[in-house]
Amino acid sequence: DVKVTQSSRYLVKRTGEKVFLECVQDMDHENMFWYRQDPGLGLRLIYFSYDVKMKEKGDIPEGYSVSREKKERFSLILESASTNQTSMYLCASTTGQGGNEKLFFGSGTQLSVL
Amino acid sequence: KQEVTQIPAALSVPEGENLVLNCSFTDSAIYNLQWFRQDPGKGLTSLLLIQSSQREQTSGRLNASLDKSSGRSTLYIAASQPGDSATYLCAVNRDAESHLFFGTGTRLTVIP
Repeated sequence: DVKVTQSSRYLVKRTGEKVFLECVQDMDHENMFWYRQDPGLGLRLIYFSYDVKMKEKGDIPEGYSVSREKKERFSLILESASTNQTSMYLCASTTGQGGNEKLFFGSGTQLSVL
Repeated sequence: KQEVTQIPAALSVPEGENLVLNCSFTDSAIYNLQWFRQDPGKGLTSLLLIQSSQREQTSGRLNASLDKSSGRSTLYIAASQPGDSATYLCAVNRDAESHLFFGTGTRLTVIP
């Protein structure tokens, strides 16, 4: 089975801190995604990557950056955390070959910024 | 921009009932549609994927249909069980290279 692992299940940070959310997948997937999920707003795409060292902005990239130095790892960085970044963060991956492959998600990181 | 709507936001049914969850999307030019399940505080699990050329997909007690022209999909769950209680989300993409647009989900509760 495909496994997408997010390093932290719960995280509490203070305003202004730099925050790293890590995601690792074990199925050699080319495509990786970071979403945030908020009540009433659903999932919104922050950033995605189709290859190593490649990144594309999603719908809400402001306040975030990403890093993909290795194919299996996709990191989300909050340069200076703010309270409005309190949310559930979900990482996902897919092979991306032909666009008809299922998307696999990690268990999520619930981030609270105080 | 594609918008995906799921109504109702929440649904409660007694165990054993058959039920239908609805998903509608504003732009019918989709590449595929996926149905996901999400348990509280967890990530999403893909249940079914329907390619734009297909009309339905089945997996066990689940059947998903797609009507591209009307911008609608339904997820049919037969003989519901308490273990089916979860939030169900649908998502569509525009082409092979684009990411998924998600609905906000329907929270299903199956009462024993």
